[in-house]
Amino acid sequence: AQTVTQSQPEMSVQEAETVTLSCTYDTSESNYYLFWYKQPPSRQMILVIRQEAYKQQNATENRFSVNFQKAAKSFSLKISDSQLGDTAMYFCAFMNPIIQGAQKLVFGQGTRLTINP
Amino acid sequence: ETGVTQTPRHLVMGMTNKKSLKCEQHLGHNAMYWYKQSAKKPLELMFVYNFKEQTENNSVPSRFSPECPNSSHLFLHLHTLQPEDSALYLCASSQEYRGRGGYTFGSGTRLTVV
Repeated sequence: AQTVTQSQPEMSVQEAETVTLSCTYDTSESNYYLFWYKQPPSRQMILVIRQEAYKQQNATENRFSVNFQKAAKSFSLKISDSQLGDTAMYFCAFMNPIIQGAQKLVFGQGTRLTINP
Repeated sequence: ETGVTQTPRHLVMGMTNKKSLKCEQHLGHNAMYWYKQSAKKPLELMFVYNFKEQTENNSVPSRFSPECPNSSHLFLHLHTLQPEDSALYLCASSQEYRGRGGYTFGSGTRLTVV
């Protein structure tokens, strides 16, 4: 079974700083998808960024980028120029795609990120 | 409007009550999910429905009973719950074959069992 581990329960940085959240996972599959989700106090989980394992290029979405190290099974999230609105729980998630049917997301424990003014 | 709507937003119920959580998606997705989010624990997948058919039940106690009358609606019927069932219950949906884009989540129902 796949597992996802986030080793940083909490992090705190000053506004405008850069912060990196860590995530490691365990799988025997070669093709899969990785995601970072953000859960602000409103509770809704919002997709931040996704990475396809067969793509070597790291995904980027504006201020958000990932460092995907497939051999090390590591998938970290970097937030540049952090903003107060980035304060939230961040979850790393793994998906093993299948040809048919619904795809299951496996989540890590989450990292609570606080951006201080 | 997120596309996935959950009601009620908060629910307090006694251990002998019967209540239902509702989830509705307006995205044309055909897979829907229930997750349980407890403090200091990873999100736990409870049930998966694909084209209205239940495809997974992750050893969830029978006091939780899901229902999916169509691809747009998902219910979680609750009865004789325990205090440890207090949690945030999240509903999500995805499009089969294109679920690689991830899920769309609702804002959850915060359940407190007293």
